[in-house]
Amino acid sequence: DVQMTQSPSSLSASVGHRITIACRASQIISNNLNWYQQKPGKAPKLLIFATSTLQSGVPSRFSGSGSGTDFTLTISSLQPEDFATYYCQQSFVVPLTFGGGTRVEIK
Amino acid sequence: QVQLVQSGAEVKKPGASVKISCKASGYTFSSHSIHWVRQAPGQRLEWMAWYIPVDGNTKYSRKFQGRVTLTRDTPASTDFMELSSLTSEDTAVYYCARESLAFGSSFRFDPWGQGTLVTVSS
Repeated sequence: DVQMTQSPSSLSASVGHRITIACRASQIISNNLNWYQQKPGKAPKLLIFATSTLQSGVPSRFSGSGSGTDFTLTISSLQPEDFATYYCQQSFVVPLTFGGGTRVEIK
Repeated sequence: QVQLVQSGAEVKKPGASVKISCKASGYTFSSHSIHWVRQAPGQRLEWMAWYIPVDGNTKYSRKFQGRVTLTRDTPASTDFMELSSLTSEDTAVYYCARESLAFGSSFRFDPWGQGTLVTVSS
């Protein structure tokens, strides 16, 4: 199975700041990487697919990059509604696997 | 709008089975696969299984092979996931999630159901 490792596991940041979350796959997955946002008690929401394509309705302050095994999610200017947990997911091969999550908290 | 609505929370004893429903609306039900993902307390999301409507086939994670059964009631636009031989380690929130691509397998999920909490306790 493809192992997905996210870092950091949590971070604190202020509104307006830029943050970056990393995701590493245990093998090459081309650009088959998706990002989800999950708020407490809610289902995950698709933010970015195929590494860098924004899902419809997702604000442009979110962006994704990377290829091969290393990927990043960037929020250019953190907003109050962005405080949540973010998960990466490889869509290269079954079984589909997720990263351990990055919890973004208010500083 | 596209929506998946799951059945309510369940409490089961070890060794029992649980069957969760996922009712779809707002799109052509037969054109999209449904996946099942679970999240144990404090744990990462874990993919379980996948129903492929084009041929009625199902694919399972090796971890759940033999314990998970997926079925579909097409007239009712509802998918079901049954998990048997429950243990305390199966305590989790179970989600259904729609494959984004019609008649395809992009393996990106949008939207998700609201989740169903299954608690396994003696």
